[in-house]
Amino acid sequence: DVKVTQSSRYLVKRTGEKVFLECVQDMDHENMFWYRQDPGLGLRLIYFSYDVKMKEKGDIPEGYSVSREKKERFSLILESASTNQTSMYLCASSFTASGTHEQYFGPGTRLTVT
Amino acid sequence: AQSVAQPEDQVNVAEGNPLTVKCTYSVSGNPYLFWYVQYPNRGLQFLLKYITGDNLVKGSYGFEAEFNKSQTSFHLKKPSALVSDSALYFCAVSPDMGRRALTFGSGTRLQVQP
Repeated sequence: DVKVTQSSRYLVKRTGEKVFLECVQDMDHENMFWYRQDPGLGLRLIYFSYDVKMKEKGDIPEGYSVSREKKERFSLILESASTNQTSMYLCASSFTASGTHEQYFGPGTRLTVT
Repeated sequence: AQSVAQPEDQVNVAEGNPLTVKCTYSVSGNPYLFWYVQYPNRGLQFLLKYITGDNLVKGSYGFEAEFNKSQTSFHLKKPSALVSDSALYFCAVSPDMGRRALTFGSGTRLQVQP
């Protein structure tokens, strides 16, 4: 089974702090994604990556950056956390050769910025 | 750009009755369609997908979905609801060519009453 893990289930940070959210997948997937989930808005794509050191902006990239130095790891960075970044963050991965775009999700990190 | 609409924030159904959770989509080209379920404080779990072929797709836990190209719909159904089906359900779409990221709907909360 595919396993996608995220470094923390719950995180509390202060406004202005730099925040790192880590995601690791164990199935050699090329594609990795970061979403945020907010009530009534569903999941919105922040950034995604098709390969090591490659990244593309999603629909809401403002205030975020990402890093993918190794194939299995995709990090989301909040350079200066703000209260409007309080949310559930979900990481996902997918396998290009499957041809289906099916994504496998981690358990999520609930981030609170105070 | 693609989009997904889930017109109902919440669906209530009695245990043993059939359930339907609605989804309509907009995408350029042929759609890849997905349903995911989320239980409290958990990540998203894959239920089923439509890629091509038979319009009726069967998935996990007795769920099925019908792809209707003319109505651009992909409604989730189950013949007999269980209390344990109570969760948040997300519909998602991706074009068959181009961006591999999924676009999600806002989610529908299913409440099954005993």
